[in-house]
Amino acid sequence: GAGVSQSPRYKVAKRGQDVALRCDPISGHVSLFWYQQALGQGPEFLTYFQNEAQLDKSGLPSDRFFAERPEGSVSTLKIQRTQQEDSAVYLCASSLGVGTIYEQYFGPGTRLTVT
Amino acid sequence: AQKVTQAQTEISVVEKEDVTLDCVYETRDTTYYLFWYKQPPSGELVFLIRRNSFDEQNEISGRYSWNFQKSTSSFNFTITASQVVDSAVYFCALNGANSKLTFGKGITLSVRP
Repeated sequence: GAGVSQSPRYKVAKRGQDVALRCDPISGHVSLFWYQQALGQGPEFLTYFQNEAQLDKSGLPSDRFFAERPEGSVSTLKIQRTQQEDSAVYLCASSLGVGTIYEQYFGPGTRLTVT
Repeated sequence: AQKVTQAQTEISVVEKEDVTLDCVYETRDTTYYLFWYKQPPSGELVFLIRRNSFDEQNEISGRYSWNFQKSTSSFNFTITASQVVDSAVYFCALNGANSKLTFGKGITLSVRP
């Protein structure tokens, strides 16, 4: 079956522009996670959805970052007024259920470069 | 708070050598999972192994093996008879009660022919 897909794979934005990154989770997966991976670092948690409910957004670095999953499937991570420090790979992951026992499956990521 | 420390940053070995990647973790959760992921140059995170906190039995899976010791909060990963295709960044990660993964900074493994 299809895995987690993300689009676009690469995005170049000028500082100050808004961007929207899309994640298509594995069909039927309840949980969806966003992570940010800066160059040379490990991924860091941004936010978590259970179906359409955003249960944890503690990792969002500023109020310029906003995520939604309105129908409990596709999710969009939006970054407003991008800054150079937003340059990173944004990874989406989904899991079948809720809780630690369920493995997270990762997408290929979107590489965002802010110039 | 959860924390994963990968003290090694870069390792270089010659093909067919064995290599061990170290991982030390911190958590207050009593139930948690530990993972190793591989990230090749293509960038996608590839799941390798998972171990839950109640199972300290160490196992071997093909060329991969791991050593989980709760007493020292360590979860080390060994690749036996390394191959050039093993060259990648390897991440250790912890998943606790809050379901979010906490990753280490990664170890860059280079396997030379």
